[in-house]
Amino acid sequence: KAGVTQTPRYLIKTRGQQVTLSCSPISGHRSVSWYQQTPGQGLQFLFEYFSETQRNKGNFPGRFSGRQFSNSRSEMNVSTLELGDSALYLCASSLDRSTEAFFGQGTRLTVV
Amino acid sequence: QKEVEQDPGPLSVPEGAIVSLNCTYSNSAFQYFMWYRQYSRKGPELLMYTYSSGNKEDGRFTAQVDKSSKYISLFIRDSQPSDSATYLCAMSETGGGNKLTFGTGTQLKVEL
Repeated sequence: KAGVTQTPRYLIKTRGQQVTLSCSPISGHRSVSWYQQTPGQGLQFLFEYFSETQRNKGNFPGRFSGRQFSNSRSEMNVSTLELGDSALYLCASSLDRSTEAFFGQGTRLTVV
Repeated sequence: QKEVEQDPGPLSVPEGAIVSLNCTYSNSAFQYFMWYRQYSRKGPELLMYTYSSGNKEDGRFTAQVDKSSKYISLFIRDSQPSDSATYLCAMSETGGGNKLTFGTGTQLKVEL
């Protein structure tokens, strides 16, 4: 059974640009969550989607947004990139909101 | 003060030792408790998923939750060099598919 797939694995962007990251959950999973991981702050929750609706949102500025499609695939977008947005962005999927969450390998974003 | 506190280590033990990893938390609404293992440049891998207080065993791993003390533990028996990784505790009020709050991670090295 395929795991959570995140694309691309690596990205280098310039300050001020925007970026879109993609996440394909495990087949049959309907909940997708996004996290940012940095050495200083650790793993921090960005947002959660379930059945195409955002159910929960972390304490990140409005530059961070996301969406979920009818096939449960999800994208997150970061606009007006800042140097501090350099991080590993992780996607997790679960069958529903009360079950285990499985993570992808992440997208490593570097902003220069 | 962070909601979840975890000793960052690093923790170094000889092969075959019993390893004890711990987290404390302040939010009494947390009901679901998880342990993840993360190798360098990889996504977190789910090791244990427990609900409420009690013990759960899976192979060489045992997870303990004491909600009265707001304290969770992961024990690794017969530790192996392949166990060398960062161990993250995570907690949620309503399940893995919803917002997870992570500890900062404990870096473990098992030496030959």
